[in-house]
Amino acid sequence: TQLLEQSPQFLSIQEGENLTVYCNSSSVFSSLQWYRQEPGEGPVLLVTVVTGGEVKKLKRLTFQFGDARKDSSLHITAAQPGDTGLYLCAGAQGAGSYQLTFGKGTKLSVIP
Amino acid sequence: NAGVTQTPKFQVLKTGQSMTLQCAQDMNHNSMYWYRQDPGMGLRLIYYSASEGTTDKGEVPNGYNVSRLNKREFSLRLESAAPSQTSVYFCASRTDRVGFSYEQYFGPGTRLTVT
Repeated sequence: TQLLEQSPQFLSIQEGENLTVYCNSSSVFSSLQWYRQEPGEGPVLLVTVVTGGEVKKLKRLTFQFGDARKDSSLHITAAQPGDTGLYLCAGAQGAGSYQLTFGKGTKLSVIP
Repeated sequence: NAGVTQTPKFQVLKTGQSMTLQCAQDMNHNSMYWYRQDPGMGLRLIYYSASEGTTDKGEVPNGYNVSRLNKREFSLRLESAAPSQTSVYFCASRTDRVGFSYEQYFGPGTRLTVT
């Protein structure tokens, strides 16, 4: 079983601060997704990264896939209360794989 | 376009009772999935269906059965519910877009309590 370790597990910050959450593995993934889940809802896809070293930006969110495709990070600039939620990373093992490996998530609280 | 829908949204069962969780998607996706989410455990795959007519076990299949009724619908059945099956259950479907074949789209979840 390929594991994805997310850190930190919990993060509480003030509005306007910057933060980074990490998703690490000893295994190589063909692609990696980041999802955000709000209380009482299902996870919603934010981004997919597929190329080692790839950087994608979504407004104030910056996603990076490690050069070796074993790790990823999510950086949020000037966090807002609307960013509060559970952030999940998920990796695909390889071409033709039907399954994703999910990390346990980082629970972010942004205090106004 | 509703995406992935699940029914019911909430359910309380007594130990030993049975029930079926329903899931439907209107995105013409081939693959569908059932997960459970428990505190501190993340999302764990119960069963998946790569295409209509096929189903496969995931990480935690014991105590569950599934049926891929057609391309749109994928149901999860608990034959004899146990308190350990108290959880939030999510159905998901996977896009078949070339180059983005691993992205999954989730339903809103079913919150199940077994007493």
